[in-house]
Amino acid sequence: DAKTTQPPSMDCAEGRAANLPCNHSTISGNEYVYWYRQIHSQGPQYIIHGLKNNETNEMASLIITEDRKSSTLILPHATLRDTAVYYCIVSYLAGGTSYGKLTFGQGTILTVHP
Amino acid sequence: ETGVTQSPTHLIKTRGQQVTLRCSSQSGHNTVSWYQQALGQGPQFIFQYYREEENGRGNFPPRFSGLQFPNYSSELNVNALELDDSALYLCASSATGSGGYTFGSGTRLTVV
Repeated sequence: DAKTTQPPSMDCAEGRAANLPCNHSTISGNEYVYWYRQIHSQGPQYIIHGLKNNETNEMASLIITEDRKSSTLILPHATLRDTAVYYCIVSYLAGGTSYGKLTFGQGTILTVHP
Repeated sequence: ETGVTQSPTHLIKTRGQQVTLRCSSQSGHNTVSWYQQALGQGPQFIFQYYREEENGRGNFPPRFSGLQFPNYSSELNVNALELDDSALYLCASSATGSGGYTFGSGTRLTVV
């Protein structure tokens, strides 16, 4: 499994953009970059995923470098409810026979301050 | 969509006992995975089922077993419980090629 490296913690002011980096230098050609977050005592929540193009949805944007060795998750206007552990995971596409198991590391603890 | 529902939410068992945890997935989600999350750690993959067949397994002993049913429900069974089995057990489901997994809120198992 390709491994990821994330900073253990980050702070962000409410209303500002939160930029969470992730390194995945051993990613293979058909592995996707996934982001999940986990708020205390809840199950992980899917945020976004991408293969090589930048992606945006209602929650966040994902910027993947051209060589695919790193990526950044952007929360454009962080709120207090975005305080959580954010996991960057490299995996095959979820579902079916593709065996898209998720290998969770320690993640980044994002704390959003008032 | 109704999400992923797990039951029970909390459970206390005695060492050596057996336990069954249940998960109800969204309609159309033909893939279900189970994860174990110890306190302060990230979730660890136990196994995955696709169309009622196990198609992937993590580093867990055979006393961890599962079933997936045609109605999108599934079970995780753990035999001969050990103290180290105390953890949050998470169920996650997905439809083929849909992108991400939807996780349930988990079952908190305490083994005493």
